[in-house]
Amino acid sequence: KQEVTQIPAALSVPEGENLVLNCSFTDSAIYNLQWFRQDPGKGLTSLLLIQSSQREQTSGRLNASLDKSSGRSTLYIAASQPGDSATYLCAVVPTTSGTYKYIFGTGTRLKVLA
Amino acid sequence: DAGITQSPRHKVTETGTPVTLRCHQTENHRYMYWYRQDPGHGLRLIHYSYGVKDTDKGEVSDGYSVSRSKTEDFLLTLESATSSQTSVYFCAISGRDGTYEQYFGPGTRLTVT
Repeated sequence: KQEVTQIPAALSVPEGENLVLNCSFTDSAIYNLQWFRQDPGKGLTSLLLIQSSQREQTSGRLNASLDKSSGRSTLYIAASQPGDSATYLCAVVPTTSGTYKYIFGTGTRLKVLA
Repeated sequence: DAGITQSPRHKVTETGTPVTLRCHQTENHRYMYWYRQDPGHGLRLIHYSYGVKDTDKGEVSDGYSVSRSKTEDFLLTLESATSSQTSVYFCAISGRDGTYEQYFGPGTRLTVT
């Protein structure tokens, strides 16, 4: 059974720091991996989608990488800002599910201090 | 904005009462999902749909039913609400562009007293 883990559960950094969030999954047979951001009391916002044939995706200050063989993805945030404070979740679609069902990690709660 | 809305946004109901939550999309996505989000459990899939009248169970489907009679609408029904179903419910959509990137609605906060 696919399991998705995000460590650490919470992280505080000073403004301006570059940081890396981690996502691990137990089965490398995946269609997609997607990173989301969730602000308190809000829905999830899609940040980046990496398809199984891709190694990384970039959007502005965000860069996500995927290493299926090791079951890992990282989300790199450059020059962090207080506005980046949120919970970041990753999710994968296992190919064994036979359909597009996502399995979510429990997230990393990020606080960027001004 | 992926063109997805949920109604109601907040609801308080009593134990034993039936409740229906609605998810509406304007983007013609094939897949629609219902999740619940609880502290300590993260996001858990309740039911999903891969087409009109095509639905399947997720990992926490007991006590819930769904229906999809049109591409745009996906309904989640709690037949007889219990306090354990107090949660935030999210609808999501995917599949229009072939990448299956998932987009989420704003959520419904349901309290069962």
